Parts: sequence; C-alpha cells; structure tokens
Amino acid sequence: DQQVKQNSPSLSVQEGRISILNCDYTNSMFDYFLWYKKYPAEGPTFLISISSIKDKNEDGRFTVFLNKSAKHLSLHIVPSQPGDSAVYFCAANRQEGEKLTFGTGTRLTIIP
Amino acid sequence: DTGVSQDPRHKITKRGQNVTFRCDPISEHNRLYWYRQTLGQGPEFLTYFQNEAQLEKSRLLSDRFSAERPKGSFSTLEIQRTEQGDSAMYLCASSLRGDIQYFGAGTRLSVL
Repeated sequence: DQQVKQNSPSLSVQEGRISILNCDYTNSMFDYFLWYKKYPAEGPTFLISISSIKDKNEDGRFTVFLNKSAKHLSLHIVPSQPGDSAVYFCAANRQEGEKLTFGTGTRLTIIP
Repeated sequence: DTGVSQDPRHKITKRGQNVTFRCDPISEHNRLYWYRQTLGQGPEFLTYFQNEAQLEKSRLLSDRFSAERPKGSFSTLEIQRTEQGDSAMYLCASSLRGDIQYFGAGTRLSVL
C-alpha cells in the first residue's frame, strides 16, 4: 500500500526554467510533509518542509505547495540549475519526529 | 557538526552470515532512525529510538533483525542469517526532539 506516490519516475528541464515535481498521498492522518534530495552514493538531504496548516512554504529557489483537499503537494524549483540534477523524494509523517513514509522518487535532470 | 556517520559504507557477505552496521548520530540528537532502501524505491522505515528506548519497529523488521542503542548515542543494526533479499542500502538518520531527520550516507549490503 503506497501511501505516498510520486508518479513521475523522471523529469528533464532546461537550465533556467521552472522544475515542478509532484507528490500525492492517501493517508489523511499525515500532517507534515518534506522533500529530500539525493545524489548518488550519498544519503538523502533535507530540502524543504511544510506543515498541514499552511499551503505554501518558500526557501530561496524552492517552494512547496500543499493542497490538502486534493492530498497533493508539489515542489517548484526556479530557476533550475545543473546542480539540481538529483533524485527527489517526497516524504510525510503524522507529526514531526515520527517515522517518515517516502515516495519512490523522481529523477530530475537539468539540461544545460 | 560532523553529520550522521555510518560504518561500513559497503558490506559484501555470503548468505547465512551475520552482519552488523553502526550509526553515529549528530551529537546531542536524541532520536535515531533506521531505514532500508532497495533499487527504485524510497527509504522504508525499520525502527527508531528516543535516547536508548526503542519506540517503534516496522513489521519489515523480522526476528533476524535487531537494533540497539545502548547508551543513547551510537546505534547498531544486526542481521542474522542473511538472505539475498536483505541486499539493500541501510540508512540511518537522527533528529533533535522531533525536528528534521538528517541522514547518513548509508551502508550498502550485498548478500551473495
């Protein structure tokens, strides 16, 4: 039972354009959502998070949007840079500090 | 801040052997998590500790798996009688009182 879903295994975007990564979830008990970035041979690195009481959180080039009624969140990266090429994981938990449930990841490739 | 450290980075073993992995969390982080990641999947939760107490175990953690955090600092994950299906990346993360989980680079286990 995949409670967090990332339906796009891969995405290619031109450098300088906007990258939009999507994530859907099924568990209505999830209250806290995170995005992690992973380079090969490294562990996941925290990128940005959002609590269910908000619908948007911004940090520099990264913005996460949450639509609770649709059980959908998205990560926007603008402008996209070559160093953004990595696998991006969406994750969720019922409260901060609890175990994370991850999606299967989206491989983002930024084309110079 | 040296980050989460995992040892070894790679382990090759024969089926039926026992293996043990070590995780050193970020100093003063009281929560420590273990996850497992297989190819094409996101990390899956195994277990977590608050200080030395093991608070939750996934049903993925069969009785061949045992984790300890004896003094509330480093943790070990032991797999007895390894099987080929145990081949995966084992990831450790730590957090401070329910804050963001920070991951180590992982231990890649190959069971031949």
